[in-house]
Amino acid sequence: GIQVEQSPPDLILQEGANSTLRCNFSDSVNNLQWFHQNPWGQLINLFYIPSGTKQNGRLSATTVATERYSLLYISSSQTTDSGVYFCAGTTSGTYKYIFGTGTRLKVLA
Amino acid sequence: KAGVTQTPRYLIKTRGQQVTLSCSPISGHRSVSWYQQTPGQGLQFLFEYFSETQRNKGNFPGRFSGRQFSNSRSEMNVSTLELGDSALYLCASSSDSYSYGYTFGSGTRLTVV
Repeated sequence: GIQVEQSPPDLILQEGANSTLRCNFSDSVNNLQWFHQNPWGQLINLFYIPSGTKQNGRLSATTVATERYSLLYISSSQTTDSGVYFCAGTTSGTYKYIFGTGTRLKVLA
Repeated sequence: KAGVTQTPRYLIKTRGQQVTLSCSPISGHRSVSWYQQTPGQGLQFLFEYFSETQRNKGNFPGRFSGRQFSNSRSEMNVSTLELGDSALYLCASSSDSYSYGYTFGSGTRLTVV
């Protein structure tokens, strides 16, 4: 199966700082999502982004499908951005998302 | 539009017992997937159902089973519980074509003592 590698594994920021999270896939994916897991455990869908660039407020994401990676940008970070960020993808012919191990983000006030 | 609803939110069971978890997908979604999340193994795929048929299955023992009903609601069952089954169980629903990806429920936190 595909391997999903996320970097960095941990990140500590001061409020207001910007950051970039990366996700690499070992094989081509035809569905790709970014999620934020809040302290209560719920996975919140941030972006469905199999290719291209999307923006939603202070967050944006870019997927370069031909090079098998995706980036999540967080600008002007806030303490509420703290949590774990996961990327996940499916490969052709399957109906299951494979998740990365996540990036644990802590934003300090 | 209501989101994905999982019940119960918390459960404490004793080793050897069995447990049933429930998931109601977003209205109109026919695909329901289940994941187990533990600190050591991360998020692992259990199974996926579409129109009452299991389409995909992860690498879990036969003690883990599931089903989907005609209204797309899904249940998963774990028999003969072990301490290692303590985890957050997450359910996600999606549309037929996966064009918009998954939406997850809040999860059921199972503790086996």
